[in-house]
Amino acid sequence: QVELRQRGAGRLKPSEILSLTCAVFGVSLTDKNWAWIRQPPGESFEWIGEVSHSGGASYNASLKNRVTIYMDTSQRQFSLRLDSVTAADTAVYYCAAFDRGSYSFDLWGQGIVVTVSS
Amino acid sequence: QSALTQPPSASGSRGQSVTISCTGTSRDVGGYDYVSWYQKQLGKAPKLIIYEVNRRPSGVPDRFSGSKSGNTASLTVSGLQEEDEADYYCTSHADNTPFEVLLGGGTKLTVL
Repeated sequence: QVELRQRGAGRLKPSEILSLTCAVFGVSLTDKNWAWIRQPPGESFEWIGEVSHSGGASYNASLKNRVTIYMDTSQRQFSLRLDSVTAADTAVYYCAAFDRGSYSFDLWGQGIVVTVSS
Repeated sequence: QSALTQPPSASGSRGQSVTISCTGTSRDVGGYDYVSWYQKQLGKAPKLIIYEVNRRPSGVPDRFSGSKSGNTASLTVSGLQEEDEADYYCTSHADNTPFEVLLGGGTKLTVL
């Protein structure tokens, strides 16, 4: 079955670390890039960054100092780490497969609601 | 402000057709045939419904179609059904961006 399955903590306090993981099922890791995208309440999507199967990553410049995305091919998963979260990081976080041939996100995880509040 | 411009809302009655636009520039929508459309229903993950301007992934009904003219891409939903009520987002490959894909602001489609 082709699926991305997310897990991670949904409630954080300001200054804590956001950590999410996305497990990949039924898709070759070399076929795609692996992305994190978020949607704040009432807003559109924001691309956070992506990683290739070889581990090379690129990030949204607005988050670059706080974000790390890394690949674990042995576990067939990739992860997002966002440091020093604030209320502005409250959003639904999605992992997605980015197809480099069509420049489209052709598979999405179920999404995790992350709320940052003291 | 999103890089690609979509109308915030659209509506149509059941059975009718509705078209949603996505406007960019010659460096993105107008320059490449890499426009995608996504459907986001309430409480569900986004779903790719159109890629490369007018191609449908397996399983997407042919009621959904895409097109492009100049710097504007369009998504048309024909024979509107209640389950088509959702937010729709466009993306496009673009020049000179760190990520290579620009995002639209989204359009809320209401089925009357």
